Amino acid sequence: GNSVTQMEGPVTLSEEAFLTINCTYTATGYPSLFWYVQYPGEGLQLLLKATKADDKGSNKGFEATYRKETTSFHLEKGSVQVSDSAVYFCALRGVSVSARQLTFGSGTQLTVLP
Amino acid sequence: SAVISQKPSRDICQRGTSLTIQCQVDSQVTMMFWYRQQPGQSLTLIATANQGSEATYESGFVIDKFPISRPNLTFSTLTVSNMSPEDSSIYLCSVAGQDLSTDTQYFGPGTRLTVL
Repeated sequence: GNSVTQMEGPVTLSEEAFLTINCTYTATGYPSLFWYVQYPGEGLQLLLKATKADDKGSNKGFEATYRKETTSFHLEKGSVQVSDSAVYFCALRGVSVSARQLTFGSGTQLTVLP
Repeated sequence: SAVISQKPSRDICQRGTSLTIQCQVDSQVTMMFWYRQQPGQSLTLIATANQGSEATYESGFVIDKFPISRPNLTFSTLTVSNMSPEDSSIYLCSVAGQDLSTDTQYFGPGTRLTVL
């Protein structure tokens, strides 16, 4: 079945530091890949997505590239802000009709200090 | 995207009681899902809410414990029955399809449930 392995947290960075959160997946074919963010006390928000190999998703300074050869979708940001403090979830959506639901990674707690 | 609302936003309930959570979307959607997020954990899919037919439950979740209704393309309810402290979680509704992209799920704000 499908699975997502995500970098364990928590991650603590200083403001303006570079961020990488690793995400690798196991799935047949070419799944769609997502990063969701959950700010404290809130629900999940879609951060970015990529639907085919070599696609790059980007939003709010965050980027992730769909790497089929390494089955990865690492999240990066060049300069984090205190407001980026949140939990980040990597997820995939399978290709078959029966796999419409999302499979989530365990989540990575990010804290950015001023 | 879509505007998704959930009611209640939070509740504190007594053991043995039941709570019904509502999910309302501002556009018609093909797919509606219910997830559970236990404290400090990731999200686990409970079931897919199917319009006009019984929900499709994932392994470990049963209709008697989590009955679901979906009367139309914009509304669904999840009931948590005969609650115990282990049911304390955030319950999230998500939607996709029809007026929205079929490829992306959008999430409601969640219902934070505490069972005493």
